[in-house]
Amino acid sequence: GAGVSQSPSNKVTEKGKDVELRCDPISGHTALYWYRQSLGQGLEFLIYFQGNSAPDKSGLPSDRFSAERTGGSVSTLTIQRTQQEDSAVYLCASSLSGTETYEQYFGPGTRLTVT
Amino acid sequence: AQSVAQPEDQVNVAEGNPLTVKCTYSVSGNPYLFWYVQYPNRGLQFLLKYITGDNLVKGSYGFEAEFNKSQTSFHLKKPSALVSDSALYFCAVRANAGNNRKLIWGLGTSLAVNP
Repeated sequence: GAGVSQSPSNKVTEKGKDVELRCDPISGHTALYWYRQSLGQGLEFLIYFQGNSAPDKSGLPSDRFSAERTGGSVSTLTIQRTQQEDSAVYLCASSLSGTETYEQYFGPGTRLTVT
Repeated sequence: AQSVAQPEDQVNVAEGNPLTVKCTYSVSGNPYLFWYVQYPNRGLQFLLKYITGDNLVKGSYGFEAEFNKSQTSFHLKKPSALVSDSALYFCAVRANAGNNRKLIWGLGTSLAVNP
């Protein structure tokens, strides 16, 4: 079946511009996660959606970052007034449930470059 | 606080030799433990997990990992390495109790299998 998809695969933007990154999770997966992976670094948790519950936004690095999930499916991560330190690969993952035992399935990521 | 340590940034092993990628953790209560692999230019893939039961868990591509509660470790192993195993490996842990249920990720270990 189809896996997690993300678009665009690459995004180059100028400092100060806003960007939107999209994630389509696996159908039927109720949990969705956004991470950031900088060069040579591990995964940095950003935000977590589980069903209709309020999202866990504790990993968002600043108020320039926001995310929404419409209809319990597609999610959009928005970065306003981008800065050079926002350059990274943004990964989306989904899992069958937010229950801790379920593994996460990752998309290919969006490589964001802020010039 | 929960944490995961992958003490080796890089592991080098000759093809055909056994490989070990180390992971130690610190959580309150019993842990849920995961290994993921990131092949070059590909997304993160789930390898295996320990939830409960047998301390030795088997996963994809011939990998296995042993949960050692006394040493708080979950080392990834494979009896005979392949060149195609060369990739970035991530260990992750989540507590099954308490308020903090997020998956905590190690910084990754780069495995190079030499022909």
